[in-house]
Amino acid sequence: KAGVTQTPRYLIKTRGQQVTLSCSPISGHRSVSWYQQTPGQGLQFLFEYFSETQRNKGNFPGRFSGRQFSNSRSEMNVSTLELGDSALYLCASSAGTVGFRAYEQFFGPGTRLTVL
Amino acid sequence: AQTVTQSQPEMSVQEAETVTLSCTYDTSESDYYLFWYKQPPSRQMILVIRQEAYKQQNATENRFSVNFQKAAKSFSLKISDSQLGDAAMYFCAYRSAFVSGGSNYKLTFGKGTLLTVNP
Repeated sequence: KAGVTQTPRYLIKTRGQQVTLSCSPISGHRSVSWYQQTPGQGLQFLFEYFSETQRNKGNFPGRFSGRQFSNSRSEMNVSTLELGDSALYLCASSAGTVGFRAYEQFFGPGTRLTVL
Repeated sequence: AQTVTQSQPEMSVQEAETVTLSCTYDTSESDYYLFWYKQPPSRQMILVIRQEAYKQQNATENRFSVNFQKAAKSFSLKISDSQLGDAAMYFCAYRSAFVSGGSNYKLTFGKGTLLTVNP
């Protein structure tokens, strides 16, 4: 099975711009979660989608949004970029249904976003 | 809210030796899952080992094993016969087993422990 893929792998943007990151989960997985990783704050949960519905959202401002498509692919969008948004954005997929193994999260390689 | 604490920012071990990484967590829940993830310099996060809180038996995966002390809320990772490829950042993570209310689908991570393996 192919793993979780994220595109693009690297992005450079300037303050005030917006950006869209994409994540394709493992085939058959219906849950996609997004995390922000920074040296100072570590790994922080952004949101989780299951079957096109956002089930859970972390403590991030409304500039951070996401969506999931019928094929389980997910996108996250950050509008009005700030310098502090520079981070590694990780996507993780899981089966998302009942049971311990179904909630194991498998991570993609991440998108490195740099805001200048 | 649950919190996960990794008190060792950095650890080092000699190749072929054994090292233990510490993790403590705080929760009021009785059922949950614990994980150790490894993030090598390439940045791909890899699941190393998993533990279900209601299982008394400590999980093992080849050279990796855990010491799960539920009462003490401790979940340490032991790496035996350390190899150069084990060098990475290791993250301890918690996930609730309760999924109602929409607040428990996330992993809560510790800050990580950077493991160096010396040849």
